[in-house]
Amino acid sequence: GENVEQHPSTLSVQEGDSAVIKCTYSDSASNYFPWYKQELGKGPQLIIDIRSNVGEKKDQRIAVTLNKTAKHFSLHITETQPEDSAVYFCAASYQAGTALIFGKGTTLSVSS
Amino acid sequence: GAGVSQSPSNKVTEKGKDVELRCDPISGHTALYWYRQSLGQGLEFLIYFQGNSAPDKSGLPSDRFSAERTGGSVSTLTIQRTQQEDSAVYLCASSLDKDSYRANYGYTFGSGTRLTVV
Repeated sequence: GENVEQHPSTLSVQEGDSAVIKCTYSDSASNYFPWYKQELGKGPQLIIDIRSNVGEKKDQRIAVTLNKTAKHFSLHITETQPEDSAVYFCAASYQAGTALIFGKGTTLSVSS
Repeated sequence: GAGVSQSPSNKVTEKGKDVELRCDPISGHTALYWYRQSLGQGLEFLIYFQGNSAPDKSGLPSDRFSAERTGGSVSTLTIQRTQQEDSAVYLCASSLDKDSYRANYGYTFGSGTRLTVV
């Protein structure tokens, strides 16, 4: 089955800096890669996703890139703000109708 | 409802007791998922319901865990003879039917039930 590895487990940046979180996956058939943000005491919330037919997607300060050959994808947050502090999870799914497999998460801390 | 509702939000139980956790998905969402989040761990897949199809139970860690979904809506996760290692946050999510490549894969998660086994 699918296995998703996520790095780093913790990331501390200064406000205004960029943050990058990387994930690798094992199943070359995977074709959907979402990112979720979890704030304290809440459930994870979808922030951006990418499908296998595109290499990059951007939404304001966040972007996701996908390299299918290397089987890795990354989340990029620019101009970080304290409210970006949270746990971020990457996930992969190889087909519609199957459950997402998540990475172990990255705790991002943005200090002002 | 407006979101995915889970109850109770917190549950403390004695080792060996049975517990039931409830999930109320978003109206119209045909897919429902249960995940477990342990301290420092990611989201561990437990079980997945899709419409009237047989559920995918491949993530259930032992036969002490079971789940049902009645009437295609509310779901209950049951843990029998609880053990201390069952202590975790149990998250439920729902999504629209995703038979189409263009369908919405996005999950909406509830806030979870924090289970503590003492």
